[in-house]
Amino acid sequence: QVQLQESGPGLVKPSQTLSLTCTVSGGSISSGDYYWSWFRQHPGKGLEWIGYIYYSGSTYYNPSLKSRVTISIDTSKNQFSLSLNSVTAADTAMYYCARQTASSYNRFDPWGQGTLVTVSS
Amino acid sequence: DIQMTQSPSSLSASVGDRVTITCRASQSISNFLNWFQQKPGKAPKLLIYTASSLQGGVPSRFSGSRSGTDFTLTISGLQPEDFATYYCQQTYSVPYTFGQGTKLEIK
Repeated sequence: QVQLQESGPGLVKPSQTLSLTCTVSGGSISSGDYYWSWFRQHPGKGLEWIGYIYYSGSTYYNPSLKSRVTISIDTSKNQFSLSLNSVTAADTAMYYCARQTASSYNRFDPWGQGTLVTVSS
Repeated sequence: DIQMTQSPSSLSASVGDRVTITCRASQSISNFLNWFQQKPGKAPKLLIYTASSLQGGVPSRFSGSRSGTDFTLTISGLQPEDFATYYCQQTYSVPYTFGQGTKLEIK
């Protein structure tokens, strides 16, 4: 059974870079059957898709964040990562990683448990 | 971006009730619509994909349907564990976008 787990600092200073890692267990991140996605949820608010990466390294980002986001993958560690630069308080949110089927079904399952990132000095 | 308008934003119901949540897309998205359940402090859980396909392990009291750009999630026979927030998500085109959520509360 595939499981995902986010990790990274819970507190980031304004203007700095937010960096999170998602570790995949129980399955290979190199499977061509899946994309690997990041989402976030502002406190008490709805869900926002940040972007995804394929095992080959190809990516697609939400245009609203594209200028500040980088998603990378390390197949040797079975991990993928999120980097968001020039953060402000508006980037305070719960961040989730999820697996997405690379097919017309576009199923997002499973998800990590999420990690709360607070942007504050 | 495709806008997803979900209604109602909140709903009170009793155990055993049948409830319906609606999501309307701002343009045609074919059947590329997912439904998620989210409980406080937990990650979203996929219930329905491609508008009407039940995700494995999800009880059959959950069902989804489509009529044009209108999508419906129905829960038949509410159980105590169903009280949560529900979100629709379109995956027709990137950026994938969500409805604003429906909070289902116990009456």
